[in-house]
Amino acid sequence: GAVVSQHPSRVICKSGTSVKIECRSLDFQATTMFWYRQFPKQSLMLMATSNEGSKATYEQGVEKDKFLINHASLTLSTLTVTSAHPEDSSFYICSALGAQTSQGPQHFGDGTRLSIL
Amino acid sequence: GEDVEQSLFLSVREGDSSVINCTYTDSSSTYLYWYKQEPGAGLQLLTYIFSNMDMKQDQRLTVLLNKKDKHLSLRIADTQTGDSAIYFCAESMGSQGNLIFGKGTKLSVKP
Repeated sequence: GAVVSQHPSRVICKSGTSVKIECRSLDFQATTMFWYRQFPKQSLMLMATSNEGSKATYEQGVEKDKFLINHASLTLSTLTVTSAHPEDSSFYICSALGAQTSQGPQHFGDGTRLSIL
Repeated sequence: GEDVEQSLFLSVREGDSSVINCTYTDSSSTYLYWYKQEPGAGLQLLTYIFSNMDMKQDQRLTVLLNKKDKHLSLRIADTQTGDSAIYFCAESMGSQGNLIFGKGTKLSVKP
């Protein structure tokens, strides 16, 4: 089945550090990748939609200069949390949509737990 | 606006059937999904149903879709302790296929 790999799985770092999270589709080409954020015991909130070769579309209230998204290839999207602060601590999950259909099932990575001290 | 509602908790005994219910608002959703999330993990796609289907069965999982009432359910037969997790209902929106999630139903299975 479709596999999405997300790295790292856990990051602990000091305030002010920039953190990069990678999302790879391992056995399919993903024209669209999504980045979600999940607070404890809450549902997933879409942060941005990333299309290969073009600028990401950010949801309302998500700072594009804070959360930099790059989707340079059909198998890789990266999310960089710039100058992270404690309020950025959260569980970040990516998902990927195959090139075959725009409405098919999304496959999720295992998530990255980010803790900012 | 778009909204997906589901009950927050469900507790069943091992071996019983579990039924998790979900209501959604957008009748134009093409696909509806059920995802499973175990503690500290990402989301695992369990099953999905295309909007022109009424029912889909896959081993212990049965999905029922009532388009008229915008109601989706997931039945897990012979529920096991390993089924304990949070189950998210989601509908796909727009041309990009982004998902709108419910708040998740925490399923607890008692031995």
